[in-house]
Amino acid sequence: DVKVTQSSRYLVKRTGEKVFLECVQDMDHENMFWYRQDPGLGLRLIYFSYDVKMKEKGDIPEGYSVSREKKERFSLILESASTNQTSMYLCASSLGTGSYEQYFGPGTRLTVT
Amino acid sequence: TQLLEQSPQFLSIQEGENLTVYCNSSSVFSSLQWYRQEPGEGPVLLVTVVTGGEVKKLKRLTFQFGDARKDSSLHITAAQPGDTGLYLCAGYRRNAGNMLTFGGGTRLMVKP
Repeated sequence: DVKVTQSSRYLVKRTGEKVFLECVQDMDHENMFWYRQDPGLGLRLIYFSYDVKMKEKGDIPEGYSVSREKKERFSLILESASTNQTSMYLCASSLGTGSYEQYFGPGTRLTVT
Repeated sequence: TQLLEQSPQFLSIQEGENLTVYCNSSSVFSSLQWYRQEPGEGPVLLVTVVTGGEVKKLKRLTFQFGDARKDSSLHITAAQPGDTGLYLCAGYRRNAGNMLTFGGGTRLMVKP
């Protein structure tokens, strides 16, 4: 089974702090994704990566950056956290080109106060 | 306006009832996935449908992909409290890279 793990289930940070969310997958998947999920807004794609050191902006990249130094690890960075970034953050991975089934981690519930 | 519209948004039923959730679009998708998400967890893939008109069954769950590959439905027979959760449909289009388009979700509660 594909396993996607996220570094924290719950995180509380203060406004202005730099926040790192880590995601690791163990199935040698090429593609990795970061979403945020908010009530009434569904899943929104922040960034995705289709290869090491490659990244593409999703629908809502503002205020976020990502890093993919190794194939299995995809990090989401909030440079200066703001209260409107309080959300559920979900990481996902998929096999490769033409493979559309995504496998999700358990999510990180981030609260910015 | 979301590319994939799910209805209903909320559904509260008694154990043993049947229900259908719809996922509609004006766009054609190469494939469509259904996920279930329990509170505090990530979505879990239930099924992928690829061919227009395709029907797949997963125990009491029946998934159908529309003939024109623009819509899909999920039917649950004799719902159980364990079916409670958020059901998400997600569509894949070949010209959209490796990204999925997600519907807004249907939140189902099955009361014992």
